[in-house]
Parts: sequence; structure tokens; C-alpha cells
Amino acid sequence: DGGITQSPKYLFRKEGQNVTLSCEQNLNHDAMYWYRQDPGQGLRLIYYSQIVNDFQKGDIAEGYSVSREKKESFPLTVTSAQKNPTAFYLCAGRATYNSPLHFGNGTRLTVT
Amino acid sequence: RKEVEQDPGPFNVPEGATVAFNCTYSNSASQSFFWYRQDCRKEPKLLMSVYSSGNEDGRFTAQLNRASQYISLLIRDSKLSDSATYLCVVNYAGNNRKLIWGLGTSLAVNP
Repeated sequence: DGGITQSPKYLFRKEGQNVTLSCEQNLNHDAMYWYRQDPGQGLRLIYYSQIVNDFQKGDIAEGYSVSREKKESFPLTVTSAQKNPTAFYLCAGRATYNSPLHFGNGTRLTVT
Repeated sequence: RKEVEQDPGPFNVPEGATVAFNCTYSNSASQSFFWYRQDCRKEPKLLMSVYSSGNEDGRFTAQLNRASQYISLLIRDSKLSDSATYLCVVNYAGNNRKLIWGLGTSLAVNP
């Protein structure tokens, strides 16, 4: 089955630790995105990548980093510099710039 | 004014009712539009794209009004399973072709 796979589904970390969220796709999408969703808030864009080896900051990139070494993979690292890392993280991809996004199942990160 | 605005609801309707949501956008350079459905603690799932001439998919109808800068979603014969949050998304033209998300409209269909 084609799709976007995020892992793990739930992640628990202690404050001060970096953590990397995985996002893999087999849809051959050039563009991939990372969003964060907090209760009662909309989706906020963290980073996006339109092509391998290139990525751009979104609206809330501080405290996050990404890499795009291959088309299929777009991991997100939540660093200790992120002040409020507890959230629902969603990875998405799309085929063309006018196509809709397709999301992975999300990773729910809890930092205590 | 927010770039994309939706009435947050909640909309409480009985089974079988017809319900309509609107979503207004501020940038006239918007190119494409979508409706997503999001269930509690799940990822958003594409419900339908919105085409200029309007489009229908079963009980769902989407319309675009470029002059007044809004899109709409009509749900006929509501089912219990339609209970969810409905998000509108606007794709802007420009170098980054940014997607702007509404905050969503909550729908509860009651027996």
C-alpha cells in the first residue's frame, strides 16, 4: 500500500533531550511537510521540502531541524531548544504544488 | 483579519439533516482549495477538492465563490459517522505555494 508512514505513534521524552520523528513515503512525492497541532489550534507549518537536499523553514521552525537526504524520508528532530515540544506532529506529502496533502498517522510527542 | 476563517461551531444537527459550512479567505491569488475531515486525535483526511464549477461526491457538495472569496461544503442526509471537524485549506500562488489552514468547524450529528 502506498502512503506516508510516521513512527512511532506515541513518544515520551524527558525535557532537555533531542528526539527524532520518522516520516517515510512511497508515493514518490517531491514535496513533504511537517506540521504541529496543539489542542484547539490549527495546523502550524514547521518545515517543508520541495526537493531532495533542500528544505525551508515554516512559520514555527525554531527549536526544530530536518533533513532531506533522500526523496522517501523527511525526519524531524525536536531539539531541547523547543520550548513547548508536547504536541501532535503530522508529516504530509503532495505530488504537485496544486495537489492536496496526504498525511501520515501522526506522532504524539509528550515531553515531561 | 485571518487569512482563512471558519465558523468553529459546534454545529449540532440531527441525523438526516442538511448542514452547510463556509470558509472565507483573504488572498485573491489563491489557486486551489480543499476540504479535509479530521476525527478526534487523528490525522486530517482529504474529503474533496473544490473546483471552480463546484463538485459533488455523494452526499457532499463543494462550491467556490471567487468573487466573494469563500468556499462552502454542504452535507446532505447527515450520518452519525459525519461527526468530525471539517478543515478548509487554501493554496496560495507564489514562490512557496503556501497552504493556509482554517481552524476547523466542529460537527456533531445526533441520533
